[in-house]
Amino acid sequence: AAGVIQSPRHLIKEKRETATLKCYPIPRHDTVYWYQQGPGQDPQFLISFYEKMQSDKGSIPDRFSAQQFSDYHSELNMSSLELGDSALYFCASSLGLAGEDYEQYFGPGTRLTVT
Amino acid sequence: GQQVMQIPQYQHVQEGEDFTTYCNSSTTLSNIQWYKQRPGGHPVFLIQLVKSGEVKKQKRLTFQFGEAKKNSSLHITATQTTDVGTYFCAGRYSGTYKYIFGTGTRLKVLA
Repeated sequence: AAGVIQSPRHLIKEKRETATLKCYPIPRHDTVYWYQQGPGQDPQFLISFYEKMQSDKGSIPDRFSAQQFSDYHSELNMSSLELGDSALYFCASSLGLAGEDYEQYFGPGTRLTVT
Repeated sequence: GQQVMQIPQYQHVQEGEDFTTYCNSSTTLSNIQWYKQRPGGHPVFLIQLVKSGEVKKQKRLTFQFGEAKKNSSLHITATQTTDVGTYFCAGRYSGTYKYIFGTGTRLKVLA
């Protein structure tokens, strides 16, 4: 079965550079969530989208922006990168809005290292 | 604020022993999901609980949602080495479209 695809899997950037992370949800899934997970930490919710509209926002820095496109894939844009942005970034997709209580399918994650 | 606490942070058990992790929220949750994350892997969905007092079982795993929908637990009977990983609960509050993850319980099973 098709899973959530994230690219790239690994990314190394320098401070103050920009990064773009991509997420391709499972076919027919219309909801995407972005999470940030530091080493030994729990996933922290960043932002979510339903049907190409932002549905909720968490602890996402103003330097970050995201959107969901017409084909339901999503991109997380990160600018002015800081050392503290180094983390594993997960995208998860689900069928329907969270209010309808569907499980989230997580992608393999993008490991971002800022030097 | 909206926060989900989880205990214990770590648990080492001998293979065959039971294991329980607990999640607690200060305010009522709409629903709660449980995930397992293996070392180096991504969270994998286990179960979702929606109703007050709900109990669900999956083979050796038993999940409970408290009557007040503020706490939940995951109990594993007779642990196996394949149960190793970090178990997270993730709660959603009414009127929101995001899941707040608990701090996780890292389970180590000694053969």
